[in-house]
Order: sequence, then structure tokens, then C-alpha cells
Amino acid sequence: GQQLNQSPQSMFIQEGEDVSMNCTSSSIFNTWLWYKQDPGEGPVLLIALYKAGELTSNGRLTAQFGITRKDSFLNISASIPSDVGIYFCAGPNQFYFGTGTSLTVIP
Amino acid sequence: EAGVAQSPRYKIIEKRQSVAFWCNPISGHATLYWYQQILGQGPKLLIQFQNNGVVDDSQLPKDRFSAERLKGVDSTLKIQPAKLEDSAVYLCASSFEGSSYNEQFFGPGTRLTVL
Repeated sequence: GQQLNQSPQSMFIQEGEDVSMNCTSSSIFNTWLWYKQDPGEGPVLLIALYKAGELTSNGRLTAQFGITRKDSFLNISASIPSDVGIYFCAGPNQFYFGTGTSLTVIP
Repeated sequence: EAGVAQSPRYKIIEKRQSVAFWCNPISGHATLYWYQQILGQGPKLLIQFQNNGVVDDSQLPKDRFSAERLKGVDSTLKIQPAKLEDSAVYLCASSFEGSSYNEQFFGPGTRLTVL
């Protein structure tokens, strides 16, 4: 079945650093979604992208819908301790979720 | 606004036993989803309901898993009999309607351990 590959799998960064992660699919998507999951909680939607090339921001988060429509990128600027968690990408209708990127922010 | 409620939060059973999970979606949300999240992986969609009808259950192992959404509100997911590989967090989510343009809201999940 369809797989969404995320990289990196995990990241350990210093507070204040910027973070970049990406997600690739084997199929063309018309929607890309980015979620964050805290321990013991369900995922929470961060950003939704609906158009190839689209660049969307939500505070310190910026996500881009790749031009090939097979990838997407999420950037977090000036990381803070509460950014800790697992970040997932998802395709249309949230039928497929990525493998996740675990982020640790060191104060 | 109350979020998606799930119970129990934790369940430990032995293999071959049966188990059921309950979900109460956000009021007014027509679409309800059940996901299985195995440790270290992303959520995997098991079944999607629109009101009380099934929209997609292509990834539901129907030989042992069943789900229902009577009256188009609450939903239950059942596993009978459970296997060791069913150990996972079972997430319920709801949205106003079923497209990607409508945000899904997730519950906290039920963590199932099968011994």
C-alpha cells in the first residue's frame, strides 16, 4: 500500500535553532497535512496545504506543498521546549500518515 | 467545546480475549474515524463513518475487528479474538464532514496491551 516516508526519523536540537523535516510519497497528492502528537494524546492539525507550490505559515511553522506533488516540507523557526513531540505528515483524507519525525528540544 | 471522548484510556487483555472501545465525537460532527497506531508508527485508518454509514473500511481486518456507529453519534470498535499484534493505541477522530478540507479532531486514544 501507499507509504509516506518522513525524514529525519528523529532530531535533537538546541532551543532557538530552526528545524526542517520532509515527507515524500510514491503517489501524487492533492492535499498535504501536518500534525503534531504529544505523548499520550491524539495528533493535532498544524497546517493544511491544498495547492502545489503553496507555502503556508502558522506562527513559527511554515509548510510547503512540493511542486512535484509528491513531497512536502515543514520548518519550525526558533524552536522552544514545547515544540517537543512527534510530527506526522498525512495525505488526502488522512488515509495515509507518515512514519513520523520525533523532535527533542534541549533547553 | 468538548473534544472527542474515548474510553477506556488503557486496557490489558490476554490473547484470544475480546475487547471493545468506545468513542463519543464532537457534537455535530457527521464523520467519525477509527485509527490504529502501533508504537513508533503513524496512525493507520481502520474505518470511516459518515453519520451511521460506512464510507471506507478497506484497512479493517474484518475477520476479527468490527465497528458500529448506531444513531450516527457514538461508536464502538471491537476486537474478537485479540492477537499479540493488536497491541497499539486506538485513536478515534471526528470531523464536521469527511473531506480533507474539514479538520479532524482526535481523541486521546485507548492504549491496548495484548499479553
